[in-house]
Amino acid sequence: GDSVTQMEGPVTLSEEAFLTINCTYTATGYPSLFWYVQYPGEGLQLLLKATKADDKGSNKGFEATYRKETTSFHLEKGSVQVSDSAVYFCALGKTGRRALTFGSGTRLQVQP
Amino acid sequence: SQTIHQWPATLVQPVGSPLSLECTVEGTSNPNLYWYRQAAGRGLQLLFYSVGIGQISSEVPQNLSASRPQDRQFILSSKKLLLSDSGFYLCAWSVLGENTEAFFGQGTRLTVV
Repeated sequence: GDSVTQMEGPVTLSEEAFLTINCTYTATGYPSLFWYVQYPGEGLQLLLKATKADDKGSNKGFEATYRKETTSFHLEKGSVQVSDSAVYFCALGKTGRRALTFGSGTRLQVQP
Repeated sequence: SQTIHQWPATLVQPVGSPLSLECTVEGTSNPNLYWYRQAAGRGLQLLFYSVGIGQISSEVPQNLSASRPQDRQFILSSKKLLLSDSGFYLCAWSVLGENTEAFFGQGTRLTVV
């Protein structure tokens, strides 16, 4: 079945450091890929998405490129801020599937 | 624009008491609706999924049930809460039939004591 694998956390960075959170997926067909962010005590917010191979999703300085050849959708940001501290979830969706398939989440802690 | 409301935000209930969490969606028709649970420091567990009024799919056998009495209303219930029911409960919706994103409510923090 479909699955999403994320790097284990927590990831601890200093402010202005470069961020990469790895995400790989296993799926048949042509899924859409998503990154969600969850701030403490809140629900999940869609951060960015990509619907086909080689698409790049971007938002708030975060980027991720849909790589079909490596089945990956790694999240990157050039310079993180303390306010980026949150849990990040990678997910995939397919037409007709019951619900999105989520990874286990990666906690990011940014220190001043 | 579409919005999703979920309440209450926090709830402390004794073991053996009933539970009712409510979720409503505005600005869209015939959405897919979902209930997820998130244990402390863990990922998301899909509990229930609904494609229409009265149509509920249960993903995990448990002490909880769900109902969809109206198109944009989704209710999570329990007759008798267990300690293991504690967690963060999230309601979400998506466009019916498409592999598009889901939109989440703000969540309910349930503590069973």
